[in-house]
Amino acid sequence: DQQVKQNSPSLSVQEGRISILNCDYTNSMFDYFLWYKKYPAEGPTFLISISSIKDKNEDGRFTVFLNKSAKHLSLHIVPSQPGDSAVYFCAAAYGSGNTGKLIFGQGTTLQVKP
Amino acid sequence: DAGVTQSPTHLIKTRGQQVTLRCSPKSGHDTVSWYQQALGQGPQFIFQYYEEEERQRGNFPDRFSGHQFPNYSSELNVNALLLGDSALYLCASSRRGQGRIRNIQYFGAGTRLSVL
Repeated sequence: DQQVKQNSPSLSVQEGRISILNCDYTNSMFDYFLWYKKYPAEGPTFLISISSIKDKNEDGRFTVFLNKSAKHLSLHIVPSQPGDSAVYFCAAAYGSGNTGKLIFGQGTTLQVKP
Repeated sequence: DAGVTQSPTHLIKTRGQQVTLRCSPKSGHDTVSWYQQALGQGPQFIFQYYEEEERQRGNFPDRFSGHQFPNYSSELNVNALLLGDSALYLCASSRRGQGRIRNIQYFGAGTRLSVL
């Protein structure tokens, strides 16, 4: 049972344009969401997170939007840069306090063309 | 400040063997989680250790076991290896006990295990 889904295996955008990566979830108990970026031969690197009490969180070029009613979140990267080319994972967690078990989507490979 | 370090980087074993993977958490972190990432998939949670005890466990058989040491480092042991255990094993560390503040998990580069 895939509780977190990233339905687009890949995405290609031109440098300078917006990249939009999507993620859907099924468990309404999730109350914290994260995005990680992964380069080959490296571990996932934390990018940005959002609590379920918010609908938007921004950090520089990265913005995460959460639509609880649709159980959908998205990551916007503006402007996209070639160095952003990587695999992006969304992850979800529930329960108060410390993040315990993270449940990941399958990942979306982003390619930013110069 | 060293991040999360894992050893070894790569490992080749044969079916039926046992393997031990090691993880040193980021400085200041006291909680270690282990994940398995199969090719083309997202990481899957194996278990989490805090205060030298397993606190949460994912849907993995008892062949997967772990340990946390007083210095917060951790080991993942897999017995009776199967071909399907071939994967990237990721360790993540975080700091617990922050109340309502969510603590981010930081990942190591992983150990690539191949079972032949």
